[in-house]
Amino acid sequence: GAGVSQSPRYKVTKRGQDVALRCDPISGHVSLYWYRQALGQGPEFLTYFNYEAQQDKSGLPNDRFSAERPEGSISTLTIQRTEQRDSAMYRCASSLAPSGSGEQYFGPGTRLTVT
Amino acid sequence: KNQVEQSPQSLIILEGKNCTLQCNYTVSPFSNLRWYKQDTGRGPVSLTIMTFSENTKSNGRYTATLDADTKQSSLHITASQLSDSASYICVVSARSNYQLIWGAGTKLIIKP
Repeated sequence: GAGVSQSPRYKVTKRGQDVALRCDPISGHVSLYWYRQALGQGPEFLTYFNYEAQQDKSGLPNDRFSAERPEGSISTLTIQRTEQRDSAMYRCASSLAPSGSGEQYFGPGTRLTVT
Repeated sequence: KNQVEQSPQSLIILEGKNCTLQCNYTVSPFSNLRWYKQDTGRGPVSLTIMTFSENTKSNGRYTATLDADTKQSSLHITASQLSDSASYICVVSARSNYQLIWGAGTKLIIKP
């Protein structure tokens, strides 16, 4: 079946604007993860969900970042009042098993550029 | 503080040669350790997952080892191919919250 998909693939926005990044996990996958990855670095954990419940949001940098997964499938990561330091690749991953115990499959990412 | 450190930061070898990448971690309590391969511009792809009781696991030409006592892991690549050029990232999961702690990766370049 289809893998994890993310949209948009590229997003350029002006400082101060809000952006919403979408992740469509593999069908039936219980867990969904959001990561941010700077160039040349490993992914940095942001938050994750089991079904629709947000289990851990300790990695969200500040209160401008929020995420939801209202029906336990598609998730949206929202960044309000974007700043230039928010520019990065945002990656989503899903896993069949809950709570990080299983294989994670990554989407292609959304490259966010804040000008 | 839970941390994962990898060495070397980058490595260049000739096609056909073997190499070993290192990972040290301080994550506790430990759940599992994973190695991912990430091609430039692509998402990470899992190579192996090892739990506490496993000390070696192979996936084709990739062999990962784990020493849970010393909190060290290695990824050995045999008979390297040009397609092995990528970043290799060590990731450790903490049993307390299953959060994945990612290393910064080793950038491997295979030259013909």
